[in-house]
Amino acid sequence: DAGVTQSPTHLIKTRGQHVTLRCSPISGHKSVSWYQQVLGQGPQFIFQYYEKEERGRGNFPDRFSARQFPNYSSELNVNALLLGDSALYLCASSPIRQGYNYGYTFGSGTRLTVV
Amino acid sequence: AQSVSQHNHHVILSEAASLELGCNYSYGGTVNLFWYVQYPGQHLQLLLKYFSGDPLVKGIKGFEAEFIKSKFSFNLRKPSVQWSDTAEYFCAVLNTNAGKSTFGDGTTLTVKP
Repeated sequence: DAGVTQSPTHLIKTRGQHVTLRCSPISGHKSVSWYQQVLGQGPQFIFQYYEKEERGRGNFPDRFSARQFPNYSSELNVNALLLGDSALYLCASSPIRQGYNYGYTFGSGTRLTVV
Repeated sequence: AQSVSQHNHHVILSEAASLELGCNYSYGGTVNLFWYVQYPGQHLQLLLKYFSGDPLVKGIKGFEAEFIKSKFSFNLRKPSVQWSDTAEYFCAVLNTNAGKSTFGDGTTLTVKP
């Protein structure tokens, strides 16, 4: 059974560029969340999508956007990259049954470096 | 604003010692509570979770956590740690209404053989 897969694993971009990160959830998981993790801190919540709709949004600027596709995979887009966007971006999927989130399964992340 | 505080940044124990990692959160509504573990070189893994009911929950590898609503706490415990428990541990709170998850900054546990 495949876990949560993210692509690419590493990425180097220049300030001002745009980036798209991709995530495929575990089969059967309809909820996908995105997190940003910088060294020494816990993951910071960016978005949650469930059944292709945005269900939660963290304190990130509008340069960050995401979407979920009919097959429940997801993309995270970041425009006008800043040096401070350098981080590990984590995708997590979870089964939601009877309104309960049964806990996230995380992917290995995409390491984004902005130069 | 929703927040999670893990009081211990780095804990060093000898094998067979008992472990307790503190986690406090600030949110008055309905929450789901989680502990995640990240072993060196691996990605985050779910250790245990609490939704409702018995406030003492048991997870994998002998870990357990107790939810004390009056103290807004969800501390992680293990009676006897092993060298293989060396990892970073994260407490997380899910605000079920807003769909927003908040993680603590993690506690690094080093177990000496």
